[in-house]
Amino acid sequence: DAGVIQSPRHEVTEMGQEVTLRCKPISGHDYLFWYRQTMMRGLELLIYFNNNVPIDDSGMPEDRFSAKMPNASFSTLKIQPSEPRDSAVYFCASSFGAPQETQYFGPGTRLLVL
Amino acid sequence: AQKVTQAQTEISVVEKEDVTLDCVYETRDTTYYLFWYKQPPSGELVFLIRRNSFDEQNEISGRYSWNFQKSTSSFNFTITASQVVDSAVYFCALRANFGNEKLTFGTGTRLTIIP
Repeated sequence: DAGVIQSPRHEVTEMGQEVTLRCKPISGHDYLFWYRQTMMRGLELLIYFNNNVPIDDSGMPEDRFSAKMPNASFSTLKIQPSEPRDSAVYFCASSFGAPQETQYFGPGTRLLVL
Repeated sequence: AQKVTQAQTEISVVEKEDVTLDCVYETRDTTYYLFWYKQPPSGELVFLIRRNSFDEQNEISGRYSWNFQKSTSSFNFTITASQVVDSAVYFCALRANFGNEKLTFGTGTRLTIIP
């Protein structure tokens, strides 16, 4: 079975540009999570969805970040405008059923904002 | 609030040695779940194990074993006869309180296996 799919795997952009990260969760999973990993802050939860509905976006750093889940098989995380401090690895994860179930992570998108 | 502490930032051992990675957690909930993830140099996060707070039985999977002790709030991970492929960053994580889907991660332990 396919795992969580993320694209692109690497993204290099210039400050001020819009960046869109994409995620396809594991089929049948009803929870989707976006994380950011940096050396300074480790792994941080940005936002998560349940049945395509955003449940908690308290981890989203600021208004420049937005996330959507238009259907059960696709989610986007958008940064506009991007800044150098947004450089990080962004992970998408999905899980099925009750909250205690295991989250399975995608390969991550390594973002570099120049 | 919940917290996960991995006090060992980096560990290096010679191949075939056993190594234990420590994880100490804090939570006020009586129901919680503990996880270990592996992040190899390629960068992905690989799920290793999940334990719930009601099951203190130790778990063994091949060369990997986990020791869960509620009395000390610890969930330690041991690799027996380590191999170079075990080199990675290992994260311990906690989810507590049914209805709270947030996973709290420790800062990770970077394990290097020296050939």
